[in-house]
Amino acid sequence: KAGVTQTPRYLIKTRGQQVTLSCSPISGHRSVSWYQQTPGQGLQFLFEYFSETQRNKGNFPGRFSGRQFSNSRSEMNVSTLELGDSALYLCASSLVVVSAKNIQYFGAGTRLSVL
Amino acid sequence: SQQGEEDPQALSIQEGENATMNCSYKTSINNLQWYRQNSGRGLVHLILIRSNEREKHSGRLRVTLDTSKKSSSLLITASRAADTASYFCATDAISEYGNKLVFGAGTILRVKS
Repeated sequence: KAGVTQTPRYLIKTRGQQVTLSCSPISGHRSVSWYQQTPGQGLQFLFEYFSETQRNKGNFPGRFSGRQFSNSRSEMNVSTLELGDSALYLCASSLVVVSAKNIQYFGAGTRLSVL
Repeated sequence: SQQGEEDPQALSIQEGENATMNCSYKTSINNLQWYRQNSGRGLVHLILIRSNEREKHSGRLRVTLDTSKKSSSLLITASRAADTASYFCATDAISEYGNKLVFGAGTILRVKS
């Protein structure tokens, strides 16, 4: 069974631009979560989608948005990029909704650099 | 704010030695997980321990949970160079929007060969 696939792996953008990252979950998984990882803040939860609905979200500005399609694939979008948005963005999927009793399967991440 | 906090922040040992990492959390939990992350890659699930369990083993991994102290430890025995990675604990956190998984700051483990 294929794992979680994130594209692209690397991305370089300039301030003010917008970016869209993609995540394909493991087949059959209905929950997709997104995380931002930086050296200073660690792993920060962005949002979770389950059956095309945003089920939960973290403490990020409205510039960060996402969506999930009927095939469970998910995209996240960051508009008006800032230097501080440079990070590793990780996507994780699980069979059911996120909780500490359910294992999350992570993709390799998208490394975003904002210049 | 993070639910779990690991210590030490970094640990350097020789191959064959044991490595112990600790995680403390703030609120009551039902389950706690440990994940490993190789440099710049995604996280890989290692082990899940439930609040009614005190100890759990998986291969060279041993996890303990002390709910009275709100802490957990991960022991890697007979470490190998391939164990070099960051290790994170993760617990549930309830927000106004619902349940989410919150990760600690992580312990960076370096195993020297």
